[in-house]
Amino acid sequence: QLALTQSPSASASLGASVKLTCTLSSGHSNYAIAWHQQQPEKGPRYLMNLNSDGSHTKGDGIPDRFSGSSSGAERYLIISSLQSEDEADYYCQTWGTGLWVFGGGTKLTVL
Amino acid sequence: EVQLLESGGGLIQPGGSLRLSCVASGTSISRNYVSWVRRAPGKGLEWVSIMDSSGSTFYTDSVKGRFTISRDNSKNTFYLQMSGLRVEDTAVYYCARPFRGNQFDYWGQGTLVTVSS
Repeated sequence: QLALTQSPSASASLGASVKLTCTLSSGHSNYAIAWHQQQPEKGPRYLMNLNSDGSHTKGDGIPDRFSGSSSGAERYLIISSLQSEDEADYYCQTWGTGLWVFGGGTKLTVL
Repeated sequence: EVQLLESGGGLIQPGGSLRLSCVASGTSISRNYVSWVRRAPGKGLEWVSIMDSSGSTFYTDSVKGRFTISRDNSKNTFYLQMSGLRVEDTAVYYCARPFRGNQFDYWGQGTLVTVSS
């Protein structure tokens, strides 16, 4: 069954980098995913589409500080030069035939 | 610039009905997939329903038979008709555009639906 797994929380210091992980379920390691950011009290924002080979296409206006990479069934969101506004929930999302799936989300705290 | 704006949320008793609307600008809904996604209090995002460009519809299991997605191309607006509402349907509902049926690349700001007696 198609599913995505994320750690519930992560933290990193202002100005540092952080790597968030999203893991695809067994048998789905070649799937592309998308990353979304949801800041408090706001609607979600599309960050990027991330393929199994690590290539990614970012959404409109997404800063260069946001990038993605892949390894096997794992998909990563890397945020460098962390800013206070990066404190948010981050969701990965994928899709199958008649099915769209979100990971449980990672709450990122910027220290 | 693509913009999506939801409306229609509110407080409703269990078993009641409500219709959400999403007005799109900067994109033609007739040529695109459209969708609804929700976030319940203390929980993550959950896909609810999608309509593709040909009119085929898809629903998550928990809302099948109770929710109906539709669209009015002349108004560039799509809807979510919700009936038989349950307490567990309480959430902020977002409209979103699934690009080519895949990733959700544009989102609305959300409308709150509270199901409570």
